[in-house]
Amino acid sequence: AQSVTQLGSHVSVSEGALVLLRCNYSSSVPPYLFWYVQYPNQGLQLLLKYTSAATLVKGINGFEAEFKKSETSFHLTKPSAHMSDAAEYFCAVRAAGNKLTFGGGTRVLVKP
Amino acid sequence: EAQVTQNPRYLITVTGKKLTVTCSQNMNHEYMSWYRQDPGLGLRQIYYSMNVEVTDKGDVPEGYKVSRKEKRNFPLILESPSPNQTSLYFCASSLSPNNEQFFGPGTRLTVL
Repeated sequence: AQSVTQLGSHVSVSEGALVLLRCNYSSSVPPYLFWYVQYPNQGLQLLLKYTSAATLVKGINGFEAEFKKSETSFHLTKPSAHMSDAAEYFCAVRAAGNKLTFGGGTRVLVKP
Repeated sequence: EAQVTQNPRYLITVTGKKLTVTCSQNMNHEYMSWYRQDPGLGLRQIYYSMNVEVTDKGDVPEGYKVSRKEKRNFPLILESPSPNQTSLYFCASSLSPNNEQFFGPGTRLTVL
């Protein structure tokens, strides 16, 4: 069965500092991997997705993620945090079958 | 405007009273899903549908039913709701499970 683990349910960063959100997955087949963002009282929006074309994936709002097969990881980064990045972030995987599995989410707090 | 709509947005009900949450998309998407979101657990897939008359269980299907009689609609049915089904529910649609999921605004359900 596929699974997704996001390390850290809450992350606090200073404005202008690096944002690093960790995601590890388990899958017996090459996965499709996604990062979604959820702003307060809204549904989820896609930040970026990995589909095997390139290991470094660039998304919206300055975010990017790197697929590392050997580490089964797909960590999300942004070089410089902005106040508007305060939200909850979810990693998701589609591996074998047609199910989508999401991680538990990481809530980002940005301090001025 | 391309969108996924859900109704109702908020619902308070009592144990055992059957209810239906509607979901509709206007993007001609094949793949539709229902998720529940609970603190610390992220999003968990309840059911998904690959196309009309094709539905399958996600990770937490117990206590829920779905149907897909038309491509645009994917209602979620709780035949006998219980308090442990109190949650925030999201409907989503996409071209396929490999593609970006478009999420509805969510339905907050409370079962007393």
